[in-house]
Amino acid sequence: QVQLVVSGGGVVQPGRSLRLSCAASGFTLSTYGLHWVRQAPGKGLEWVAVISSGGSNEYFADSVKGRFTIPRDNSKNTLYLQMNSLRAEDTAVYYCASQYSSGASWGALDVWGQGTTVTVSS
Amino acid sequence: DIQMTQSPSSLSASVGDRVTITCRASQRISIYLNWYQQKPGRAPKLLIYAASSLQSGVPSRFSGSGSGTDFALTISSLQPEDFATYFCQQSYSTVWTFGQGTKVEIK
Repeated sequence: QVQLVVSGGGVVQPGRSLRLSCAASGFTLSTYGLHWVRQAPGKGLEWVAVISSGGSNEYFADSVKGRFTIPRDNSKNTLYLQMNSLRAEDTAVYYCASQYSSGASWGALDVWGQGTTVTVSS
Repeated sequence: DIQMTQSPSSLSASVGDRVTITCRASQRISIYLNWYQQKPGRAPKLLIYAASSLQSGVPSRFSGSGSGTDFALTISSLQPEDFATYFCQQSYSTVWTFGQGTKVEIK
């Protein structure tokens, strides 16, 4: 069964760091484009970042550029979101998602993790 | 960045109604447009990719159309399980963006 499991959320103070994990089962993460998407409380979806299949390209939303990175551990089949210099506006549910099947070449995200909540507050 | 504007932001409809949600891109995006459904507390679910291709397992009452800058998602006969929030998403540029969402509520 193809699945993504997200973990690592919590409450963190402004300016601190947090790392989220996205573990894959049923498929090899490095073969697919992988994304982070977030949703602030009561708001819509915001695309955060992508790492391409093979890992050669990474792109970030302007709101997180320079603060967030997306390392990947192929041996653990796990993607991470390293979040530094966190701000109150980073408070959200964070999802990882994959371009997996027939729509992948069109940028469709068809496998999603369950999400983890990050709260940035003093 | 490419801005995606959905309309309406919300709508009320009855079971059996035909519902159309539109999405406009701030620049031409070919057919790099996908639609998602999200229910409260759940991750989004892919409905339509490449503007008009139905994702496997999605009921045929859902359809998508459009190209360039103007797109639409149509539900031909609204069912109780369709009450949710719908988002469009462009994947034309290296920085992807979502529309602000359309909440479909029960009349």
